[in-house]
Amino acid sequence: AQSVSQHNHHVILSEAASLELGCNYSYGGTVNLFWYVQYPGQHLQLLLKYFSGDPLVKGIKGFEAEFIKSKFSFNLRKPSVQWSDTAEYFCAVTASGGYNKLIFGAGTRLAVHP
Amino acid sequence: DGGITQSPKYLFRKEGQNVTLSCEQNLNHDAMYWYRQDPGQGLRLIYYSQIVNDFQKGDIAEGYSVSREKKESFPLTVTSAQKNPTAFYLCASSIDKWNTEAFFGQGTRLTVV
Repeated sequence: AQSVSQHNHHVILSEAASLELGCNYSYGGTVNLFWYVQYPGQHLQLLLKYFSGDPLVKGIKGFEAEFIKSKFSFNLRKPSVQWSDTAEYFCAVTASGGYNKLIFGAGTRLAVHP
Repeated sequence: DGGITQSPKYLFRKEGQNVTLSCEQNLNHDAMYWYRQDPGQGLRLIYYSQIVNDFQKGDIAEGYSVSREKKESFPLTVTSAQKNPTAFYLCASSIDKWNTEAFFGQGTRLTVV
């Protein structure tokens, strides 16, 4: 069965610090990978996605993620965070093709202090 | 505006009562999903439907039921058999079963007293 692990449940950073959130998945086949973000009081929205091609994908608001197939990882990065990045971040995976389902990790709550 | 509408935003029910949460989308998406969000546990899949008149159990389907009689609607019933129903419920949809980029509603917070 598919599963997703996010290593950090809570991360606290100061503005301008660099961010890296870990995500590992378990599934032996071809996958589609996603990062979603939930800002306080708002609904979940897509940050970026990987289906195929260049394993380094860029998303909105300066976020990027790198798919490393050999490590079953899809870590999220941002070189310099802002206070407005305070949110909860979710990694998600689905098997590409077939009768698949979208599975989420437990989430990482990021707090950025000015 | 296209999107996913969940109603109501807050819902209170007495223990032992069934309750139905509404989810409607006007995105013409084939696939729809129900998730439960609990602190520290992320989003757990309850049920999903890839096409009208078809649905599959997710990871935590016990105590829940769904129907998919219309493409735009995917209501979730929380039955009295669900042992811990108080939670935040999220509905999502995606274009089809091949493209699972999901779009989410605002959620319904259910409190059972």
